[in-house]
Amino acid sequence: EVQLVESGGGLVQPGRSLRLSCAASGFTFDDYAMHWVRQAPGKGLEWVSHITWNSGSLAYADSVKGRFTISRDNAKNSLYLQMNSLRPEDTALYYCAKDLRRSSPYAMDVWGQGTTVTVSS
Amino acid sequence: SSELTQDPAVSVALGQTVRITCQGDSLRSYYASWYQQKPRQAPVLVVSGKNNRPSGIPDRFSGSSSGNTASLTITGAQADDEADYYCNSRDSSGDHVVFGGGTKLTVL
Repeated sequence: EVQLVESGGGLVQPGRSLRLSCAASGFTFDDYAMHWVRQAPGKGLEWVSHITWNSGSLAYADSVKGRFTISRDNAKNSLYLQMNSLRPEDTALYYCAKDLRRSSPYAMDVWGQGTTVTVSS
Repeated sequence: SSELTQDPAVSVALGQTVRITCQGDSLRSYYASWYQQKPRQAPVLVVSGKNNRPSGIPDRFSGSSSGNTASLTITGAQADDEADYYCNSRDSSGDHVVFGGGTKLTVL
């Protein structure tokens, strides 16, 4: 079964850091690009970041650029999101999603169930 | 980055056909993909590319595009289709991804 399982969310104070993880199974992880997508409570989907199959190209939404870092470990079938200098507006459910392609972003055909990040003092 | 615009809400009578649209400059260069999200569930891809449905998605879902507008058509809407629908695509730079604001579909 193709599956993505996120972890690492929690309650954190503004300005602090958090690292999200996404464990992939049921497919050849290093054949596909990956994304992080978030959804604030009661709001729509917001793309956060994208990484190609070999980590050769990374991209970030303007809202997180310079604060968040996406990475992957193909040997561990895992995707990560290092989130620094967190702000209250980063509060959201964070989804890990698999792309249909290896490189340029195309479409997200597999999604995890998400991990919740709450930034509050 | 460019934006994708969707109508916030659309309704359709049971068994009728409904079209959900997504507008944006980047759609002149890139295909849109469409996602269905039901309450408290993760999004599900329903259409990608020119008009490709993942395995398990009913053929009543179809996609099309013209100019700066992409459309998701549900032919013979079912009660189970009631959900939020989001489009996405690359933005004009080609390196970033953008989502539309979502359309809440009500099946009457």
